[in-house]
Amino acid sequence: QKEVEQNSGPLSVPEGAIASLNCTYSDRGSQSFFWYRQYSGKSPELIMSIYSNGDKEDGRFTAQLNKASQYVSLLIRDSQPSDSATYLCAAYKGGNNRKLIWGLGTSLAVNP
Amino acid sequence: DGGITQSPKYLFRKEGQNVTLSCEQNLNHDAMYWYRQDPGQGLRLIYYSQIVNDFQKGDIAEGYSVSREKKESFPLTVTSAQKNPTAFYLCASSLSINGYTFGSGTRLTVV
Repeated sequence: QKEVEQNSGPLSVPEGAIASLNCTYSDRGSQSFFWYRQYSGKSPELIMSIYSNGDKEDGRFTAQLNKASQYVSLLIRDSQPSDSATYLCAAYKGGNNRKLIWGLGTSLAVNP
Repeated sequence: DGGITQSPKYLFRKEGQNVTLSCEQNLNHDAMYWYRQDPGQGLRLIYYSQIVNDFQKGDIAEGYSVSREKKESFPLTVTSAQKNPTAFYLCASSLSINGYTFGSGTRLTVV
C-alpha cells in the first residue's frame, strides 16, 4: 500500500461542473496536506494547503480534510478548461526533515 | 521577485558523461530538494538538504551527487553511474511545513 494514494484518472468533467479529487493516506501521524497542480511539461505549483479537519476554501477551490477517515479531497467549482492538469496530493508526516510524501497524481480533463 | 531558478531548461548527456544541473533560490529557504519525475511514476526524491554543508540521500540517490556550500545553491550532478538518467528533474525549496516552491525543471536526455 502506498503511503499516499490517488486515483490516476483521467477524471473527465464538463465545463462549469464540480470536479472532485480524492486522496487517502496511511500514516495517522501525518500533520499537513497539500494539493499541487501540474500542467503537462511544467513544474508543480501549490494551490491549497490544509492542516486541520474540515473545509478550507480559496476562490473556486475547497480542500477537505478528515483525519479520522484519513482522506483529503479537493473540490474545484465551476471547472474551466484551464483547470485541465494533473493534481498531486502530498502529506507531511512530521519530524525535522520536512519531507513530503507524494501521491502519483490524478489527471483532470475539463471538456468545453 | 523571489523564486527558484533551474538551469539549463534542456540538457543532453552523452554516454559516460557527468552533467551538473543548477538550482538557485533567493527565497531564504533553509531546505532544498531534488526530485526526478518519470511518466506515470510521480515525484521521486533524490537528495535533500536542510542546512548548508549537510545533505541526505533520498529514495533514489544512486548515481547522483549533490553539494550545499551556500544556502542559495543546491546543484545536482548526474554521474555516469546513473544508467537511466533521461527524466524531468525538479528542484524545490521550503522554509517551514507550508509546502514547497518548485523551480521550472530541467529535462535531461541521453544521446
